[in-house]
Amino acid sequence: DAGVIQSPRHEVTEMGQEVTLRCKPISGHDYLFWYRQTMMRGLELLIYFNNNVPIDDSGMPEDRFSAKMPNASFSTLKIQPSEPRDSAVYFCASSSRVELFFGEGSRLTVL
Amino acid sequence: AQSVTQLGSHVSVSEGALVLLRCNYSSSVPPYLFWYVQYPNQGLQLLLKYTSAATLVKGINGFEAEFKKSETSFHLTKPSAHMSDAAEYFCAVSPDTGRRALTFGSGTRLQVQP
Repeated sequence: DAGVIQSPRHEVTEMGQEVTLRCKPISGHDYLFWYRQTMMRGLELLIYFNNNVPIDDSGMPEDRFSAKMPNASFSTLKIQPSEPRDSAVYFCASSSRVELFFGEGSRLTVL
Repeated sequence: AQSVTQLGSHVSVSEGALVLLRCNYSSSVPPYLFWYVQYPNQGLQLLLKYTSAATLVKGINGFEAEFKKSETSFHLTKPSAHMSDAAEYFCAVSPDTGRRALTFGSGTRLQVQP
């Protein structure tokens, strides 16, 4: 079975540019999560969805960040405009029970 | 609110030695508890989970963890370390209330010396 698929795996961009990260969850999973991992702050929950509906977005840093889940098989996390402090690894995870299954992550570098 | 504290950001053991990674949790309701492993440049992989059944939980790769309510602990152990166990390990908690998002500890990097 295919796991959680994230793209791109690596993104290098310049400050001020728009960044879009993509995620395809495991088929049949009804929860989708976006986490951010940095050395300083560890793993932080940004937002999660249940049946495509955002449930908790209290972890989204600021208005520059937005996430959507237009259907059960696709989600995006957008940063506009990007800033150097957004540099991190962004993980998508999905779940149908209690445990989460993670993608390989998208490593974002903002210059 | 729930949280986990992992004692020791770095642990070094010799190959063949006991591995003990510590995790203490705080939760206002009965928790679900998890251990995940992360290899370099990879995502997190589930090692094992506690969901209020047996207090001693066995996972993949020979790891196990014991839920101790009196000590609010969920330490991860492996009797004999292997070089391939070198990775970062995360303890995580979620409340048994239906909220599915996990709160992760800060991680423990395990180094295995030959």
